Amino acid sequence: GQNIDQPTEMTATEGAIVQINCTYQTSGFNGLFWYQQHAGEAPTFLSYNVLDGLEEKGRFSSFLSRSKGYSYLLLKELQMKDSASYLCAVAPEAGNTPLVFGKGTRLSVIA
Amino acid sequence: DAGVIQSPRHEVTEMGQEVTLRCKPISGHNSLFWYRQTMMRGLELLIYFNNNVPIDDSGMPEDRFSAKMPNASFSTLKIQPSEPRDSAVYFCASSFRVGQPQHFGDGTRLSIL
Repeated sequence: GQNIDQPTEMTATEGAIVQINCTYQTSGFNGLFWYQQHAGEAPTFLSYNVLDGLEEKGRFSSFLSRSKGYSYLLLKELQMKDSASYLCAVAPEAGNTPLVFGKGTRLSVIA
Repeated sequence: DAGVIQSPRHEVTEMGQEVTLRCKPISGHNSLFWYRQTMMRGLELLIYFNNNVPIDDSGMPEDRFSAKMPNASFSTLKIQPSEPRDSAVYFCASSFRVGQPQHFGDGTRLSIL
């Protein structure tokens, strides 16, 4: 089966750094995605990792370790607008297999 | 560029009624996905199409749910008859190919009374 685990909720302070972890057990691996979803809105694509290492994009970075089945999303210089749910998703295999989504981590940024 | 377009944005109806949700994917995207999202179960894949052909509908909860994609620019998800437990946000998403980043529509917030 396919399983993706991430914490349900996290709280962090404005201006700080927060790391949201994701572990996965899937039948195969063809990439890991992070999405951001503000309350009442659609998920929006943030990042994609297929090789081990860190991908940086502005205040957001995403890390992948395929051998450990582990990823994290790092958010720096937190802003109030970063309060949202963050969804981890895995493409289990190459070809015609859709993404498997985790249940998401709800991040609250407080002053 | 226009993103994925869904209609209606909100739907409130009484149980037993037929509900039809509509989706226009991004032009050039070959894969289309229908999801349901609730607090309890998160984002669930209901069905997906590749080149207008349904590939996997194992996520469709019951025979009351059906989906079609008559052409590359339009898809529908139908619930008949609707029940209160169908209340959720339904998202449509599309991508160039299955397994690539998906782009989501704004969703339809469905309430069955």
